[in-house]
Amino acid sequence: KQEVTQIPAALSVPEGENLVLNCSFTDSAIYNLQWFRQDPGKGLTSLLLIQSSQREQTSGRLNASLDKSSGRSTLYIAASQPGDSATYLCAVGDSNYQLIWGAGTKLIIKP
Amino acid sequence: NAGVTQTPKFQVLKTGQSMTLQCAQDMNHEYMSWYRQDPGMGLRLIHYSVGAGITDQGEVPNGYNVSRSTTEDFPLRLLSAAPSQTSVYFCASSLGTSGRLTYEQYFGPGTRLTVT
Repeated sequence: KQEVTQIPAALSVPEGENLVLNCSFTDSAIYNLQWFRQDPGKGLTSLLLIQSSQREQTSGRLNASLDKSSGRSTLYIAASQPGDSATYLCAVGDSNYQLIWGAGTKLIIKP
Repeated sequence: NAGVTQTPKFQVLKTGQSMTLQCAQDMNHEYMSWYRQDPGMGLRLIHYSVGAGITDQGEVPNGYNVSRSTTEDFPLRLLSAAPSQTSVYFCASSLGTSGRLTYEQYFGPGTRLTVT
């Protein structure tokens, strides 16, 4: 059974730093991996979608990488800003129409 | 486009009551799904649909029913509410019925449900 883990559960860094969020999964037979952002009391916003055949995707200050063989993905945030404060979730698309989710990393960017 | 809409935003039920959470999307997406989110846990799939008239169970389907009579709407019914169903419920939609979730998923704002 696929399991997705995100470590750390919470992270606090000063504004302007570059940072990396981690996501690991137990079964490498995935269809895709997605990173989402969730603001308090709000829904989820898709940030990046990496197909299983891809190694990375970029959008603005965000870069996500995927290494299926090691069961890892990282989300790199460059030049962090207070507006980046949110919970970041990764989800793995498996072969059964399902997304398997990590519990998230709560990120706080201090001004 | 309104995207994915959910009603109500908040609901309090007594144990044993039934209710329907509404979800609608105006993007002509084939795939729709319901998730629940509990503190400290990832989202868990309740039911999903790959098109009108087609539904299937996810990871935690017990206590919930769904139907998909139109492409736009995908209501979630709680048959007899239990305190264990206290959670935040999210509806999502995306393109694609090729058997792979290769398309971006769009989420509604969620319904916060409390069962006493």
